[in-house]
Amino acid sequence: KQEVTQIPAALSVPEGENLVLNCSFTDSAIYNLQWFRQDPGKGLTSLLLIQSSQREQTSGRLNASLDKSSGRSTLYIAASQPGDSATYLCAVSGNTGFQKLVFGTGTRLLVSP
Amino acid sequence: DTAVSQTPKYLVTQMGNDKSIKCEQNLGHDTMYWYKQDSKKFLKIMFSYNNKELIINETVPNRFSPKSPDKAHLNLHINSLELGDSAVYFCASSHRGGFYGYTFGSGTRLTVV
Repeated sequence: KQEVTQIPAALSVPEGENLVLNCSFTDSAIYNLQWFRQDPGKGLTSLLLIQSSQREQTSGRLNASLDKSSGRSTLYIAASQPGDSATYLCAVSGNTGFQKLVFGTGTRLLVSP
Repeated sequence: DTAVSQTPKYLVTQMGNDKSIKCEQNLGHDTMYWYKQDSKKFLKIMFSYNNKELIINETVPNRFSPKSPDKAHLNLHINSLELGDSAVYFCASSHRGGFYGYTFGSGTRLTVV
């Protein structure tokens, strides 16, 4: 059974800092990994999708890496801004059977001006 | 041009009532899902339909009954609502086993009083 853990659970940084959010998963037989952002009371916004054959994906100030063999992914946020404050969710889908996303516990990020 | 839309956005109802949540996607995806986000913000899959066929049915009380009239629509009917059903319910869709990632709706916040 796939389990996804995110560390830290909460993070508070001053504006401008570079930061790293961590995600680990127990079963390396994944199809892909997706990072989402959730603002309070809102839905999920997809940030980056990494296929199992890929090592990283980049979008603007965001860079996500994937090390499938060790069951880890990191989300790097450069030059953080107050608007980055949200909960960041990591989710993986398996490569056998019917596909579904298994979510991590989330990292709540607060960027102070 | 909303990709995955859910109605209603908020639902407040009394214990024992029956209620439905509707979901529609205009992405041409072949698979739709219902996820539940509990009070601790953890997201867990409930059901999945692929081309109108139920393919994932997690351990959910049989008071919850999904229905997919066509591959663009997935509804969730809940009978005899209980206090513990209070949560945010998210609809999602994917295509080709999630190869292109998953797209989520904005959620339905259900409060049972």
